[in-house]
Amino acid sequence: DAKTTQPPSMDCAEGRAANLPCNHSTISGNEYVYWYRQIHSQGPQYIIHGLKNNETNEMASLIITEDRKSSTLILPHATLRDTAVYYCIVRVGFGNEKLTFGTGTRLTIIP
Amino acid sequence: DTAVSQTPKYLVTQMGNDKSIKCEQNLGHDTMYWYKQDSKKFLKIMFSYNNKELIINETVPNRFSPKSPDKAHLNLHINSLELGDSAVYFCASSDKDITYEQYFGPGTRLTVT
Repeated sequence: DAKTTQPPSMDCAEGRAANLPCNHSTISGNEYVYWYRQIHSQGPQYIIHGLKNNETNEMASLIITEDRKSSTLILPHATLRDTAVYYCIVRVGFGNEKLTFGTGTRLTIIP
Repeated sequence: DTAVSQTPKYLVTQMGNDKSIKCEQNLGHDTMYWYKQDSKKFLKIMFSYNNKELIINETVPNRFSPKSPDKAHLNLHINSLELGDSAVYFCASSDKDITYEQYFGPGTRLTVT
C-alpha cells in the first residue's frame, strides 16, 4: 500500500469548512483513497473514498488532484462533533486487502 | 440496534491469565476483523475472517487466537496475558465485496496489571 502523509493536527472554527490534506505521492493506478475518522474513544468510522474523480456524500467531499498524488477531505460546515482524528488511507479497491491506518490528523473544531 | 457489539467494554486482568473478548455483528456481513490500538494510538489490523475462514493474520503472537463460530461472531482469545497486551481492541465487519467500508465496534479496553 502507498504511504500517506498528513499534518498531525489542525484547528477549524465551527461552521467553517474544514480542509484536511493528504499526500500520497507513490499511489498506484489501481489504488483508491479512503478517509476514516475516529472520534475520541470510539471505533473508526468510514467517511468517503475515491479513485480519481471528486466525490461527495452526506458527510464530506473528497478532492483528488489530477496527478492523484494528493487529496483533500472537506467537511463543508464543521461542527463540534467533527472533532476527531482523520485518517487518509490508500489501498487497492477490492479484495481482502487490509486497511493500514497511519497517524492521521487530529482535527479540533473551535467554538 | 448496535451494528457491531463487543463485550466486555473494559477488562482488567493480571499477567498470565487467559481472557476472551466477544464480537457480534448484525449487519449480515461476511468478513470480520480484529484491530489493536496501542497506547500511542496506532491502529493495526490483527486478523481478518471471511465466512469463518482466516484471511489475514498479521504477525500476531500465537497467544492470540481468533475463533469464529459463525459468520456473525468473531471472538478473540488471549492466552498468558502480558503487560504489552494492554490496548484497546476493536472488532469490525464488512461486506466481502466492500472490504474498504468497515464498521467498527465500540472497542474493548484491556488493561493487564
